[in-house]
Amino acid sequence: QVQLVESGGGVVQPGRSLRLSCAASGFTFSSSGMHWVRQAPGKGLEWVAMIWSDGSDKKYADSVKGRFSISRDNSKNTLYLQMNDLRAEDTSTYYCVCDNFFDPWGQGTLVTVSS
Amino acid sequence: QAVVTQEPSVTVSPGGTVTLTCGSSTGDVTSYHYPYWFQQKPGQAPRTLIYDTSDRHSWTPARFSGSLLGGKAALTLSGAQPEDEAEYYCLLSYTGARRVFGTGTKVTVL
Repeated sequence: QVQLVESGGGVVQPGRSLRLSCAASGFTFSSSGMHWVRQAPGKGLEWVAMIWSDGSDKKYADSVKGRFSISRDNSKNTLYLQMNDLRAEDTSTYYCVCDNFFDPWGQGTLVTVSS
Repeated sequence: QAVVTQEPSVTVSPGGTVTLTCGSSTGDVTSYHYPYWFQQKPGQAPRTLIYDTSDRHSWTPARFSGSLLGGKAALTLSGAQPEDEAEYYCLLSYTGARRVFGTGTKVTVL
């Protein structure tokens, strides 16, 4: 069964850091580009970042460039999102998604940035 | 960064037909934007309906179809069902493999 499971969300103060993880199973993770997508409460979807299957290239949305870093460990079938200098506007549910047909999606992990 | 615009909301009668559109601030949407369409119901993760302009997933009902229409990507729902009530998002690909989601359309079946 193809599955993505995000973890690492929680409540964090502005300016602090957090690392999200996404565990993949049921497909060849090492052959798949991966994305992070977020959704603020009651708002639309926002593409955050993408990483190539071998990690050789990474792309970011302007809103997170220089603060967020996407990475992966293909030996562990795991995708990461390192989030630094967090702001209130980063409060969202964060989803990991496989680039192959943009499916599957994980269930999401909620990040709340608040003092 | 490009802005991708969708209708905020549409209403369709059960059994009726409705077309949602997806426009780009950078100009016409083409097949090289590899348009995707997603359906999201409350409390759930999005699910892909259409990829690469018009290809359906194995789980996508045949009543959903994708196309390019008047310089925009389009999603047509023919024969709307109550379970089609949801938020619909498009996704476009830009230079450097960056992606931008549309603003979303709330579809009401009434």
